[in-house]
Amino acid sequence: NAGVTQTPKFQVLKTGQSMTLQCAQDMNHEYMSWYRQDPGMGLRLIHYSVGAGITDQGEVPNGYNVSRSTTEDFPLRLLSAAPSQTSVYFCASKYYTGENTIYFGEGSWLTVV
Amino acid sequence: AQKITQTQPGMFVQEKEAVTLDCTYDTSDQSYGLFWYKQPSSGEMIFLIYQGSYDEQNATEGRYSLNFQKARKSANLVISASQLGDSAMYFCAMREGPDAGNMLTFGGGTRLMVKP
Repeated sequence: NAGVTQTPKFQVLKTGQSMTLQCAQDMNHEYMSWYRQDPGMGLRLIHYSVGAGITDQGEVPNGYNVSRSTTEDFPLRLLSAAPSQTSVYFCASKYYTGENTIYFGEGSWLTVV
Repeated sequence: AQKITQTQPGMFVQEKEAVTLDCTYDTSDQSYGLFWYKQPSSGEMIFLIYQGSYDEQNATEGRYSLNFQKARKSANLVISASQLGDSAMYFCAMREGPDAGNMLTFGGGTRLMVKP
């Protein structure tokens, strides 16, 4: 049981480049989310999904795209990277409404130069 | 307005003593959940404790307890018998509504440092 797996763990991008952060979970969770954590701050919600084919925006969605074609995967795409997107990105998943445990991935450190 | 406020950016505690980390929240929902997470220097988010808005008793998990005062909208984390390994960032978070999945709003965090 791998839990929530994020790749890559570290990435350096140049301004204007695009990339995809991968998130996969093997727990058959319906709910998946992406958060970003800027230095010295708490996490902020970027996008979330309540099931395959369903996504919605969180607090800070600009500059990011998501899709959910399968239950297991929830990739986050940076369309044209900017230095303001330098952050640590966390993917999280949860099984169903009545359960309170939210599983986080280990984080992906992204630097945009 | 901030939905989750953690007013202590940093705190020191002596090893083996108890410490309280403050968290106040703001919501108009009747159904909500409050979480505490620990983030050590390695960066992962470790779930500590959960309190539902309708739970009548304060949540406890081992050395962690949550002092839930609904009328004051506070959800303070109490760590008993602090250990050196408790040194980390601690985040309070809230899920608003009964069906909000894993959409959480986080506070700015408190850095706890345990002194030997």
